[in-house]
Amino acid sequence: AQSVTQLDSQVPVFEEAPVELRCNYSSSVSVYLFWYVQYPNQGLQLLLKYLSGSTLVKGINGFEAEFNKSQTSFHLRKPSVHISDTAEYFCAVSDSGTYKYIFGTGTRLKVLA
Amino acid sequence: GAGVSQSPSNKVTEKGKDVELRCDPISGHTALYWYRQSLGQGLEFLIYFQGNSAPDKSGLPSDRFSAERTGGSVSTLTIQRTQQEDSAVYLCASSLVTSRASDEETQYFGPGTRLLVL
Repeated sequence: AQSVTQLDSQVPVFEEAPVELRCNYSSSVSVYLFWYVQYPNQGLQLLLKYLSGSTLVKGINGFEAEFNKSQTSFHLRKPSVHISDTAEYFCAVSDSGTYKYIFGTGTRLKVLA
Repeated sequence: GAGVSQSPSNKVTEKGKDVELRCDPISGHTALYWYRQSLGQGLEFLIYFQGNSAPDKSGLPSDRFSAERTGGSVSTLTIQRTQQEDSAVYLCASSLVTSRASDEETQYFGPGTRLLVL
């Protein structure tokens, strides 16, 4: 069965520094990959998604992620973070044969002044 | 336009009681999902409904949990004989998906219902 691993439960980083949030999934069959963000006291919203085509996808707020099939990874990156990026980030995967989504346990990004 | 709404926003109940959680998806969305978010556990898939197809119930943790979707719109998640381990935030999401790998492959989440079982 498909599973998603977000190894880092918390990531502290200083403002304007780069950040990478890691995501690995278990199955290498055709998949769709997503990053969702949950700002404090707000609901989850889509940050970016990989469905097909270019393996580098760009999302809102300057975030991007790269699909690496051989490493079954979909790491999220931002070259320079802001205080407002403080939130919890969830990686999710959906196999092409189902509409079921599997979410990771989340990574709490804390941006420090 | 209106987003996904859930009610109640908070629910406190006693162990052994039944609870019903409601989700109003975005109008016209064909897919509806229920998740459970527990501290440190991320989002746990419970069930999804897609159009007129049979729902995928593979994530329901026990037979105390059930869900229905009436008229392809509103959904109710019912937990019978609640236990303290059922305490969590229950999230509903909907999406307009007519085919996989379309630009519509986006879930819109509601604010959640925070359930506390005493």
